[in-house]
Amino acid sequence: NAGVTQTPKFQVLKTGQSMTLQCAQDMNHNSMYWYRQDPGMGLRLIYYSASEGTTDKGEVPNGYNVSRLNKREFSLRLESAAPSQTSVYFCASSARTGSYEQYFGPGTRLTVT
Amino acid sequence: GEDVEQSLFLSVREGDSSVINCTYTDSSSTYLYWYKQEPGAGLQLLTYIFSNMDMKQDQRLTVLLNKKDKHLSLRIADTQTGDSAIYFCAESNFGNEKLTFGTGTRLTIIP
Repeated sequence: NAGVTQTPKFQVLKTGQSMTLQCAQDMNHNSMYWYRQDPGMGLRLIYYSASEGTTDKGEVPNGYNVSRLNKREFSLRLESAAPSQTSVYFCASSARTGSYEQYFGPGTRLTVT
Repeated sequence: GEDVEQSLFLSVREGDSSVINCTYTDSSSTYLYWYKQEPGAGLQLLTYIFSNMDMKQDQRLTVLLNKKDKHLSLRIADTQTGDSAIYFCAESNFGNEKLTFGTGTRLTIIP
């Protein structure tokens, strides 16, 4: 039981390049989330998915797209990376029942030059 | 919208108790959570409390909730070097699975 996994762990992009961050969970959770973490700003929600086939914008969605490929996988795409997207990205999942606690992956550290 | 606030830094001597504080604005908060983030790692759920509770204890951790003042605290007894981390407070409200996080408190242990 790996929980939430993310790939890659580290990535350096040039401005204008594109890439996809991958996330998978093996806890049979319905909901999945993408956050970014910047110093002094806590975690900010980029997009979330309440179930397979549905996605909704969070607090900071501009410059990102997401795909909920199936119940296990939720990917985040940067179509044209900008230096302002330099951040640590976390994926999380939750069961949508009970106490709604979220379980996090180890993160992807992205640098855009 | 909802807001969750924490002080950024806390230093505590090894063996003392650490108290990390959090205030929130959403009066309809249902669950409040404490997460721990060690360097280079993701967030790990430490504990959570339902809004109709005043206190929850789990081994060295004690969570206190003052719903009237919208104040949440996490007390770590007998603080150890392994407790060095950033601690995040978060809240959710009924029917809304999205969590609102504070900025995190960096706990430093002084030997």
